[in-house]
Amino acid sequence: QQQVKQSPQSLIVQKGGISIINCAYENTAFDYFPWYQQFPGKGPALLIAIRPDVSEKKEGRFTISFNKSAKQFSLHIMDSQPGDSATYFCAASNSGYSTLTFGKGTMLLVSP
Amino acid sequence: SAVISQKPSRDICQRGTSLTIQCQVDSQVTMMFWYRQQPGQSLTLIATANQGSEATYESGFVIDKFPISRPNLTFSTLTVSNMSPEDSSIYLCSVGDSYNTGELFFGEGSRLTVL
Repeated sequence: QQQVKQSPQSLIVQKGGISIINCAYENTAFDYFPWYQQFPGKGPALLIAIRPDVSEKKEGRFTISFNKSAKQFSLHIMDSQPGDSATYFCAASNSGYSTLTFGKGTMLLVSP
Repeated sequence: SAVISQKPSRDICQRGTSLTIQCQVDSQVTMMFWYRQQPGQSLTLIATANQGSEATYESGFVIDKFPISRPNLTFSTLTVSNMSPEDSSIYLCSVGDSYNTGELFFGEGSRLTVL
């Protein structure tokens, strides 16, 4: 499988701060870039996704920034809350969900 | 969206035994996917289960170790055979959305510990 590199591995942010998680990919054929959120004991759930025809997508406090030339995309969580504490996975695919490749995950802890 | 139920949610198994994980979806789906999530690691696709045909396995995964059944459009099983401690992991069942937007829905996973 093609690789998707995610950083940092873990992140501690104070309540109200901005959480930033970065991902880089190699396969230029990737055309779908989702972020999944996983709480302990639960399966991952889609948080937000972007396609390469736009450079940014915002949904509430969550924003994806996409840099096609650098083959990088990032998740920004504004006004981070303790309820955002979870593991976040970036992913990428080039032919729908059947070839989704995940990053290694970032464990986010938002301190009260 | 899809609601996915997995059983068992967790189990502790002895080396050399086999365990079958069940996945039930609340709607008919063409493809079901089995992922492995090892501690601190990414989600790795094991295989794609299609109803009425053999499962398609990813590189590094073989049918003898991870046999899969897909008897109908709402149900699948994954068996982890001849388990070793290295098989200790979370196994996740997932399905795609019916509009093929790319979104995957996941079950809550089956956490296996092999002693």
